[in-house]
Amino acid sequence: AQRVTQPEKLLSVFKGAPVELKCNYSYSGSPELFWYVQYSRQRLQLLLRHISRESIKGFTADLNKGETSFHLKKPFAQEEDSAMYYCALGLGGFKTIFGAGTRLFVKA
Amino acid sequence: DGGITQSPKYLFRKEGQNVTLSCEQNLNHDAMYWYRQDPGQGLRLIYYSQIVNDFQKGDIAEGYSVSREKKESFPLTVTSAQKNPTAFYLCASSRVTATAEAFFGQGTRLTVV
Repeated sequence: AQRVTQPEKLLSVFKGAPVELKCNYSYSGSPELFWYVQYSRQRLQLLLRHISRESIKGFTADLNKGETSFHLKKPFAQEEDSAMYYCALGLGGFKTIFGAGTRLFVKA
Repeated sequence: DGGITQSPKYLFRKEGQNVTLSCEQNLNHDAMYWYRQDPGQGLRLIYYSQIVNDFQKGDIAEGYSVSREKKESFPLTVTSAQKNPTAFYLCASSRVTATAEAFFGQGTRLTVV
C-alpha cells in the first residue's frame, strides 16, 4: 500500500544547528515527492519538490530510491524555519497522500 | 487576487445536523480535493475531483458527500452519519499532473456541539 512515514512528530534544534526532517515512502511506482510547510497562521504551501532539484529557503531534499527516503535538510536552522512540515507522495495521476507531519521548533 | 477560498473559517454544528463547507478557486485548476487534518494524523483525503461532474472517494469518505457542478466550486457536506466530524478541513486544488503543486485554502474548523 502507498504510505508516507514521518517518524518524528516534533523536532527541536538550536538556531544555527543542522536540521534533518525524515521522510520514508512506500510506493511501487515511480514516486513524485514533495515537502509542504505550514507556518503559524498561514496556509499550507509547497516548499519544494524532488523533480525540481531546487533549494528553497536553504532547504534541500534528495530522493533516495534505494532507501525509499526523501529527507529534508538544512545546514543552519533559523528561527523563522519553525513550522509544521509535511512530506507528500504524488501517485500516478494527481492524487497526493501526506505524512503525519513533523513540527520543527528552532530555539534561539 | 488568485487563490482558493474556504468559508466559513469556524463552524459549529449540533449533533444530527448536516453542514456544508464551501470551497472556491479562481486558479482555473481542474483538480480539487478535500482533506481532513487531525493532530498526529496528517492530512487524510476525503474526496477528490478531476473534472466537473466527476469525483472520487478518498481514504475516509464515509459520512461525507461532495458535488462538482462548476469548475470553480467543490463544496463538502458533512452528514450526520460522520461519527467524529469535529476536525480541521482543508480544501486544495491543482493542475492534473503528478508533479503539480497543490494550493490550499485557509481551512475550516468544524466543531460539533
